[in-house]
Amino acid sequence: SYVLTQPPSVSVAPGQTARITCGGNNIGSKSVHWYQHKAGQAPVLVVYDDSDRPSGIPERFSGSNSGNTATLTITRVEAGDEADYYCQVYDSTSDHFVFGTGTTVTVL
Amino acid sequence: QVHLVESGGGVVQAGKSRRLSCAASGFFFSSYAMHWVRQAPGKGLEWLAVISDDGSKNSYSDSVKGRFTISRDNSKDTLYLQMNSLTSDDTAVYFCSKVDGESIFDSWGQGTLVTVSS
Repeated sequence: SYVLTQPPSVSVAPGQTARITCGGNNIGSKSVHWYQHKAGQAPVLVVYDDSDRPSGIPERFSGSNSGNTATLTITRVEAGDEADYYCQVYDSTSDHFVFGTGTTVTVL
Repeated sequence: QVHLVESGGGVVQAGKSRRLSCAASGFFFSSYAMHWVRQAPGKGLEWLAVISDDGSKNSYSDSVKGRFTISRDNSKDTLYLQMNSLTSDDTAVYFCSKVDGESIFDSWGQGTLVTVSS
C-alpha cells in the first residue's frame, strides 16, 4: 500500500517559517492535499491540489510537490498555527485514500 | 454553509456492533461522494471508507474491509457506518467528510467518539 511519511514534529518561533515535508514514492505525480487539525475540532483543508488555497485560508499557507516530496510551508507563523498537519493523496492503484503520518507544529 | 454532524458514538463491548450516522446540511448531499475517517487516541488520521454520490460504489481500507459497511440515504441527507465485530483497536473518534473533486476532503464533521471496552 502507498505510504506517506512526515516528520513527527516541527518547532518554529513566531514570525518565522515552518516547512512540513511529506514523502512518498513519486508523489510528484499525484495531487496532494493538506489538512490542519486542532484537538477536539474538525480537520480543516488548508491546501489542495499541491498548491491551491481554499477561500478563507491565509496566503501564509502554501504548498509544493515534486519528485518524492511534497511540502507545506507556513510563513510568518502565529501561535494560532499550532496544530497537527496531515498530507493526503488518492492512490489509484489500490483505490484507497491515504493520509500522511502527521506532523505536530509547535510555536515556541 | 456545509454542516456535518456525526452521532452514534459511545461505549460498546468488544465483539458487538454499532452504527454511526452523519447528518448533512448546507449542500446538495446526493451530488457528492462521502467518506469516513477515524483517529485513534494518540494516533493520526486513518481513512476508512468512501461511498459514491448515488451509493452504488464504495471502497474500504484493509483494516475495516469485511467488518464495516458504509451506506447513505439521500432522501434523508444522511451517511452511515455500520461497524461489526468491534475490537479495542477500533476505539477512535470517527469523522465523516464531504469530498470535492476526486479526492479533496473539503468539509468535516466534529467527530463522534467510539470506545470499545473489553
